[in-house]
Order: sequence, then C-alpha cells, then structure tokens
Amino acid sequence: EDQVTQSPEALRLQEGESSSLNCSYTVSGLRGLFWYRQDPGKGPEFLFTLYSAGEEKEKERLKATLTKKESFLHITAPKPEDSATYLCAVQADRGSTLGRLYFGRGTQLTVWP
Amino acid sequence: DTGVSQDPRHKITKRGQNVTFRCDPISEHNRLYWYRQTLGQGPEFLTYFQNEAQLEKSRLLSDRFSAERPKGSFSTLEIQRTEQGDSAMYLCASPGGAPSKYNEQFFGPGTRLTVL
Repeated sequence: EDQVTQSPEALRLQEGESSSLNCSYTVSGLRGLFWYRQDPGKGPEFLFTLYSAGEEKEKERLKATLTKKESFLHITAPKPEDSATYLCAVQADRGSTLGRLYFGRGTQLTVWP
Repeated sequence: DTGVSQDPRHKITKRGQNVTFRCDPISEHNRLYWYRQTLGQGPEFLTYFQNEAQLEKSRLLSDRFSAERPKGSFSTLEIQRTEQGDSAMYLCASPGGAPSKYNEQFFGPGTRLTVL
C-alpha cells in the first residue's frame, strides 16, 4: 500500500534557525512527489513537484530534494511568516487513479521571533 | 488565488440534515478531485472525475455521499443524513491550466463542515 510518513510532527524554530523536514514514502512507482504549505483554515498551497532522485527545487527560503526513498524540505533562515503546516504527497504511476495524491499527516512548523 | 473556487466556505448543520458543496475548477480542466481533511491529518482522496465521468470512489465515500459533475464543468458533493463524523474540511483540486502544470494539483480554499 502506498504510504507517506512525515517527521517531525511539529517543529519550533527561532527566526533564522535553519532546519529540515522529512518525508519518507513507499509507492509502487513514483510519478511525482509534491510539497504543499497549508495555513490554518485554508486549502493546501502548491510549492514544488519533484520527479526523480537527485532533483532539487528552490523557492525563496525553501529547498526541496528527492532520493529514492525520501524527500527533504530545507528551510534556510526561516521567518515567522513561514509558520504553517507543510504537507508532502506522492502520486503513483501504477495501479492508482490518474493523478490521485497520497498525503502524509504534515509537519506543523512554528517560527518565533 | 489558485483559480479553484468552492462554495460555501463554511457550513454548520444539524445531524441528519443534507448538505451540498460546489467546486469550480481551473479553466474547466477535464480532471477534478475531491478530498477530505480532518484535524491533524493530511487530505484523503474521496473521488475523481474526468470530464463528467466519475471514474473512482474511495471506500471513504459511503452511500450517503454522492458527487456529480454535469457537463464536465463544476462539481457538487452532497452528503445525506449528515453525522458528526462527517465534520471535516472538504477540498476540491484540479490540475493547472497550462500543459506544464497538468501533473500538479491546485486546491481550492475548502468547505469547512461542522455537524452538530
């Protein structure tokens, strides 16, 4: 069964303190791995798609990387406005509905001044 | 703004009542997905449309749930005889409008359902 596990469940950082969020996955053929940001009471906001091991994507203070078994979301010098829940999801390319996403439970990030 | 809109944003209802939610996807894209998210969990897949055809339903979608997508444009999700366990955020998603975005899913703001 396709599964996504995110760690840690919650992370508190001081402003400027860099860290990484982990997403490990098991899927029958990876079509894509996705990172989303979600603010309370809102829908997930798309951040990145990664398709193959070794791929990296960057956006402002965020950098996503992918290996064959996991992905990392690195946050460099975070600011309080980076506080949110970060969700990881995978798409399988075999035996699954086209485009269906399997999500982890998310990492709740809090950045304090 | 992702271009996916949902209505209403919030719905409070009493147990046993019927509710209906609406989703308008990006540029009437041919694929549309519904997910449900409960507190502390990631979104869970409910159902998938390609044009007007409902191609897959999760086992989470009991007989009290029905979804439609007439004419392959907007979609509705109806819950009959609501139960307290139906309280959740209901999310709609569709791929981006540009070919480079076809494999990505963009979510609407969601409909927060509270069943009293």
